[in-house]
Amino acid sequence: KQEVTQIPAALSVPEGENLVLNCSFTDSAIYNLQWFRQDPGKGLTSLLLIQSSQREQTSGRLNASLDKSSGRSTLYIAASQPGDSATYLCACYDSWGKLQFGAGTQVVVTP
Amino acid sequence: EAQVTQNPRYLITVTGKKLTVTCSQNMNHEYMSWYRQDPGLGLRQIYYSMNVEVTDKGDVPEGYKVSRKEKRNFPLILESPSPNQTSLYFCASSVTGQGLSYEQYFGPGTRLTVT
Repeated sequence: KQEVTQIPAALSVPEGENLVLNCSFTDSAIYNLQWFRQDPGKGLTSLLLIQSSQREQTSGRLNASLDKSSGRSTLYIAASQPGDSATYLCACYDSWGKLQFGAGTQVVVTP
Repeated sequence: EAQVTQNPRYLITVTGKKLTVTCSQNMNHEYMSWYRQDPGLGLRQIYYSMNVEVTDKGDVPEGYKVSRKEKRNFPLILESPSPNQTSLYFCASSVTGQGLSYEQYFGPGTRLTVT
């Protein structure tokens, strides 16, 4: 069974610093990997979807990489802002479309 | 606007009182799924449906039922809710096909409290 781990569970950085969020998975036979953002008590906002044939995906200040062979994905957020404070979740898709989520990294960006 | 809707968004109920959380999508997606989110446990899949009249258990199906009579709707039924089903519930949908995996679109969530 796929296991998805996100370390650290929580992270606090000063405004302007770059954020590096890690996601590891045990089964490299994933199809897609997706990063989400979740504000407290709120729904999921999709940030980036990396297809299995891709190595990275970029959107604005966000860049996500995928290394299936090592079972890792990294989300980079450049020049963090207080509005980036949220919990970030990564999730792996299997061949049937099922998502396996990590527990998330809670990020606080201090002004 | 393409979207997944859930109702109700918030619900407080008592143990044993049957309830249904509705989920509807307007994207003509075949695949629909329910997840629950609990602190420290992340999101876990409850049930999923590959198409009309085709449903299957996810990782945590105990205490839940689903049905898929129409393509757009996938209700989650709690026949006899218990306090351990207090959680945040999400519905999701996507295009599908075995061996092909497409981005899932999530509803806004339903916060359920069972007292």
